[in-house]
Amino acid sequence: GQQLNQSPQSMFIQEGEDVSMNCTSSSIFNTWLWYKQDPGEGPVLLIALYKAGELTSNGRLTAQFGITRKDSFLNISASIPSDVGIYFCAGRYNQGGKLIFGQGTELSVKP
Amino acid sequence: GAVVSQHPSRVICKSGTSVKIECRSLDFQATTMFWYRQFPKQSLMLMATSNEGSKATYEQGVEKDKFLINHASLTLSTLTVTSAHPEDSSFYICSARAGGGGTSDGYTFGSGTRLTVV
Repeated sequence: GQQLNQSPQSMFIQEGEDVSMNCTSSSIFNTWLWYKQDPGEGPVLLIALYKAGELTSNGRLTAQFGITRKDSFLNISASIPSDVGIYFCAGRYNQGGKLIFGQGTELSVKP
Repeated sequence: GAVVSQHPSRVICKSGTSVKIECRSLDFQATTMFWYRQFPKQSLMLMATSNEGSKATYEQGVEKDKFLINHASLTLSTLTVTSAHPEDSSFYICSARAGGGGTSDGYTFGSGTRLTVV
């Protein structure tokens, strides 16, 4: 199936560092979503973006909906050990439509 | 907030048997539910879209006779893996979308079902 191009695939960082990951698509989306998945669990929604150029924060997380509507990034500031997990971006063409997922970014945080 | 319950969380079955996985929206009505399959260290691959009261829409390459989906009520969708084989072993996850929920309807995911076929 179709996937978004998400990078990096994995990151190993020190506690307290900032993290940045992004997704690009050849198609235009009208919604971008960022999820976090812990081992053996389903994804949990972190941030939802609905408008081109939109910049939204959720605590230490900040995400932006690219102005071209073909990309999005997620930043995590001052990382902590519980940030460990796999982060997925997801795009949606229309309200109520299916989600297209990125390949995921596996984040490891060293205390 | 919206909660989706998925059951069972783990199941081991013998080759050739069928397994049913349930996905329930606990505090909202879900007109649409989605079923995904996830292999280790990989992304979620959409298998099918389940609409209440109508037939599911399967993604290309997904065998609808093997993965039976029933969405008989606004709070329950089931996925039945029929005549399971070891290659069907995977992590299956459902997600649900509230009906008529405006633009702010980020879908809620269940906690997944780890299926092992022996």
